[in-house]
Amino acid sequence: AQSVTQPDIHITVSEGASLELRCNYSYGATPYLFWYVQSPGQGLQLLLKYFSGDTLVQGIKGFEAEFKRSQSSFNLRKPSVHWSDAAEYFCAVGGFPSGGSYIPTFGRGTSLIVHP
Amino acid sequence: DSGVTQTPKHLITATGQRVTLRCSPRSGDLSVYWYQQSLDQGLQFLIQYYNGEERAKGNILERFSAQQFPDLHSELNLSSLELGDSALYFCASSVGGSGGRTDTQYFGPGTRLTVL
Repeated sequence: AQSVTQPDIHITVSEGASLELRCNYSYGATPYLFWYVQSPGQGLQLLLKYFSGDTLVQGIKGFEAEFKRSQSSFNLRKPSVHWSDAAEYFCAVGGFPSGGSYIPTFGRGTSLIVHP
Repeated sequence: DSGVTQTPKHLITATGQRVTLRCSPRSGDLSVYWYQQSLDQGLQFLIQYYNGEERAKGNILERFSAQQFPDLHSELNLSSLELGDSALYFCASSVGGSGGRTDTQYFGPGTRLTVL
């Protein structure tokens, strides 16, 4: 069965500092991996996704993530955090095939707090 | 704004009642997905419809049902409501039916259901 672990429930950083959010997955084959962001009162927005190829994936809003098969990890990074990045971040692995569809399994999320 | 609309934004009802949540996908999207987000369970996939047909099924209770209409909007029906059904219900849509493997899911802002 596939699963995702986000070890950090909360992360606090200062504005302008670098950020790394951790994600570990369990999946029987080559995984499809996603990072989503959820701002307060909003739905989830896709930041980036990995299917194959280059293990360093660039996303929107200056985010990137690196797929490391040997560590079963897909950590999200940003070199300089802005106050507007404060939100909930979800890692997801996709997915269990069901009727031809691959539905992602989400981690429990990491809440990012940004100090001025 | 993702282009996915959900109504109502908030819903307060009593145990044992039945409610209907509505979702309008982005223009051109054929798939609709329903998710439940709660503090206990995190973000859980419920069900997917693709062009009017059920495509994938997740952790959806028998008391819950959904359908997608010819105009592609979808409704999620929740009946015999229990306190534990209180949650944020998200709808997402995508162009194809792959579940996000090769196309992106766009999430609506959610409907917050409170069961008293």
